Amino acid sequence: GEDVEQSLFLSVREGDSSVINCTYTDSSSTYLYWYKQEPGAGLQLLTYIFSNMDMKQDQRLTVLLNKKDKHLSLRIADTQTGDSAIYFCAEDQTGANNLFFGTGTRLTVIP
Amino acid sequence: DTAVSQTPKYLVTQMGNDKSIKCEQNLGHDTMYWYKQDSKKFLKIMFSYNNKELIINETVPNRFSPKSPDKAHLNLHINSLELGDSAVYFCASSPGPQETQYFGPGTRLLVL
Repeated sequence: GEDVEQSLFLSVREGDSSVINCTYTDSSSTYLYWYKQEPGAGLQLLTYIFSNMDMKQDQRLTVLLNKKDKHLSLRIADTQTGDSAIYFCAEDQTGANNLFFGTGTRLTVIP
Repeated sequence: DTAVSQTPKYLVTQMGNDKSIKCEQNLGHDTMYWYKQDSKKFLKIMFSYNNKELIINETVPNRFSPKSPDKAHLNLHINSLELGDSAVYFCASSPGPQETQYFGPGTRLLVL
């Protein structure tokens, strides 16, 4: 598959909102995912969105999907220091039962 | 109650050795996967395994072989380890193909 692209770094102040962007490759992907990886830890599924949705909200997390531009974003409201981690977007490309991950965005929350 | 578990958590070994990493899931899922995360944090699929059907990423060297003794386990065996094999290896499972995947904690492999 082609590369799923993300910005490598993002720094925000505690209490501000964070927006992590992702450009995916396959317009026919059924699901798009956000995973969180804390230092030295595994991948934690944060949320996912079905391709026929434009937005999904889950507590402090808001996922926006723009299918026309193949753009996915994750907004974290009231960002906390515990949100510091690497965030990966991933797409489930149709015809392939595996995930293609973005490069990951390292979010640093400044107290 | 760990959903997807991997052993060992850390593995340090010398070049040329053969090693295995074990993965177990207690979720009753039908599909399991292995991913490799390199030093730059890039994650790539290596294998997926569903109902005894193995799908291999063509870029994976044939020194890597997954073995599934039963539906709850997918172990990764690596022959003739090379320096470039140093990475974090993640196992994952999903109820079926193209369904949400849940990851294990990772195995950190260092080849000296």
